Amino acid sequence: GQNIDQPTEMTATEGAIVQINCTYQTSGFNGLFWYQQHAGEAPTFLSYNVLDGLEEKGRFSSFLSRSKGYSYLLLKELQMKDSASYLCATMDSNYQLIWGAGTKLIIKP
Amino acid sequence: NAGVTQTPKFQVLKTGQSMTLQCAQDMNHEYMSWYRQDPGMGLRLIHYSVGAGITDQGEVPNGYNVSRSTTEDFPLRLLSAAPSQTSVYFCASNTISGSEYTGELFFGEGSRLTVL
Repeated sequence: GQNIDQPTEMTATEGAIVQINCTYQTSGFNGLFWYQQHAGEAPTFLSYNVLDGLEEKGRFSSFLSRSKGYSYLLLKELQMKDSASYLCATMDSNYQLIWGAGTKLIIKP
Repeated sequence: NAGVTQTPKFQVLKTGQSMTLQCAQDMNHEYMSWYRQDPGMGLRLIHYSVGAGITDQGEVPNGYNVSRSTTEDFPLRLLSAAPSQTSVYFCASNTISGSEYTGELFFGEGSRLTVL
């Protein structure tokens, strides 16, 4: 079957670092995506990993281990505007996206 | 560029009514799709299209119909609305091949539908 697991909710402090984990089991694999979604808004693209390793984009980094079916999104120097849901998604062998339920990140001052 | 334009933003229907959610993109993307998003669940694919004249079913197609007569437009029709179709609907598009492919899906702003 196809399954993506990520924590439902996390809390972190402004200025700190937080790591949001995602584990997946999919039929075929053509990449892993992270999206950010603020409440009441559409998802916006953060990252796309297709090879193992760490991809860094400013304050955000995404890591992938295909052999472990595991990814994480690392957010540094947290700001209040980072309060949002973070969606993990994999692309299967038919190039369709399978989405996790999302992790709601709450940032406290 | 307007990106992906989706209308209406809000709609209330009675059970059994039909309606169409409109979606248009001006980025010349081959791929367009419709998702629904429900609390506690991931985005679920309803229907998708890889080009004009081509549509296919996603994970939850029942009760919905689509067509793709042009590259730009991909309307979603609810044939006979049911309370179970109360949800937030997102249209999304991207390019699916070539050097421009980044994997990024471009989303419309969403349509919040309530069926009474």
